[in-house]
Amino acid sequence: AQKVTQAQTEISVVEKEDVTLDCVYETRDTTYYLFWYKQPPSGELVFLIRRNSFDEQNEISGRYSWNFQKSTSSFNFTITASQVVDSAVYFCALSEAERNSGTYKYIFGTGTRLKVLA
Amino acid sequence: SAVISQKPSRDICQRGTSLTIQCQVDSQVTMMFWYRQQPGQSLTLIATANQGSEATYESGFVIDKFPISRPNLTFSTLTVSNMSPEDSSIYLCSVGLGSGNTIYFGEGSWLTVV
Repeated sequence: AQKVTQAQTEISVVEKEDVTLDCVYETRDTTYYLFWYKQPPSGELVFLIRRNSFDEQNEISGRYSWNFQKSTSSFNFTITASQVVDSAVYFCALSEAERNSGTYKYIFGTGTRLKVLA
Repeated sequence: SAVISQKPSRDICQRGTSLTIQCQVDSQVTMMFWYRQQPGQSLTLIATANQGSEATYESGFVIDKFPISRPNLTFSTLTVSNMSPEDSSIYLCSVGLGSGNTIYFGEGSWLTVV
């Protein structure tokens, strides 16, 4: 069955520290997509990245980087030199096509609350 | 991506009443979803809003409690009926776009039931 596990409920770091948010997933399919979203206190979910199951290249975008490892079913997210504005809840999500309908089903992890202290 | 607007952004509602949340997208989309996020929790899919037909509800959610309309490819409404304090949540409209059907979210509607 599909499952997304974010074992870290809450992380606190001091500004400028690096922090890694863990995401482990389970899926039966070979074709799937993984996502990260940021939810600041305002409540809106902001899309950060999508990665498909055939693309294991790591990605860097500014201070953000993502490490996708199929061998360990992990899709971890690192923020370098964290800032107070990074404080938010971060969600990892998995989607795969439903066999019968072909529509996509999305499963979200429970989220990791990141607090960056000045 | 898409611009997804939700109304109301916040409301305080009396128990027993109903509230309709509107979701407007700036482009035509096939896939539209409604999620609920209870305080401190993750997102739970309520239903997929299908254009021109009845919504597809997830286990634990029923049409009588959460009727959904989807009259066209840019608009949908979710009604939370006969509200109780347990319905206090953020309700999020989302759409699936592009390769991999990335889902994008509206700003959310924060409902508090008193």
